[in-house]
Amino acid sequence: ETGVTQTPRHLVMGMTNKKSLKCEQHLGHNAMYWYKQSAKKPLELMFVYSLEERVENNSVPSRFSPECPNSSHLFLHLHTLQPEDSALYLCASSPGQGPNTEAFFGQGTRLTVV
Amino acid sequence: QKEVEQDPGPLSVPEGAIVSLICTYINIAFLYFMWYRQYSRKGPELLMYTYSSGNKEDGRFTAQVDKSSKYISLFIRDSQPSDSATYLCAMSASGTYKYIFGTGTRLKVLA
Repeated sequence: ETGVTQTPRHLVMGMTNKKSLKCEQHLGHNAMYWYKQSAKKPLELMFVYSLEERVENNSVPSRFSPECPNSSHLFLHLHTLQPEDSALYLCASSPGQGPNTEAFFGQGTRLTVV
Repeated sequence: QKEVEQDPGPLSVPEGAIVSLICTYINIAFLYFMWYRQYSRKGPELLMYTYSSGNKEDGRFTAQVDKSSKYISLFIRDSQPSDSATYLCAMSASGTYKYIFGTGTRLKVLA
């Protein structure tokens, strides 16, 4: 097991459903990330939080909504998703007060949108 | 042209071989470089983290950065079947949280 825990591991949802992905890190890190991993594509950064503040602006559809209530927890709220949103969603955390420190990943949530 | 290029493989080698994995990049501002290993149905696991140029060694793994030629390498000595996985490179410029990843190289080490 890694120091970054994601739940659920697998999720199947309809296009009209609302669900949330949860991430918890036990490493005392200050930054947390959501990444999307699709087949044959590089990991895509979706959101970054540092000390509970969102940093970096990335173009992500509004049907994905992040929430970072404290430095140990990160959520990704999902609503009205499309089949092309099916992917592995990875949470990561990194230490330090600023950027450019190595990121540690969770095991991911395999999302299937039907 | 992609910011980071990585041959997807699969790369098949016999057990005990030396494996060489490469990522090329175009952004001269990249200063931080990482290699991850990802087993099927798992999250990426950090193998090596290097800053700027030079070599770094950890057990059977050696990471090299050649900033003049804009590529990074990961060498695996005495490869084992348990090394069979997808290897991802990642890099970032100074002052940003955004890591740019390669698509990954799938490695198969045959017993």
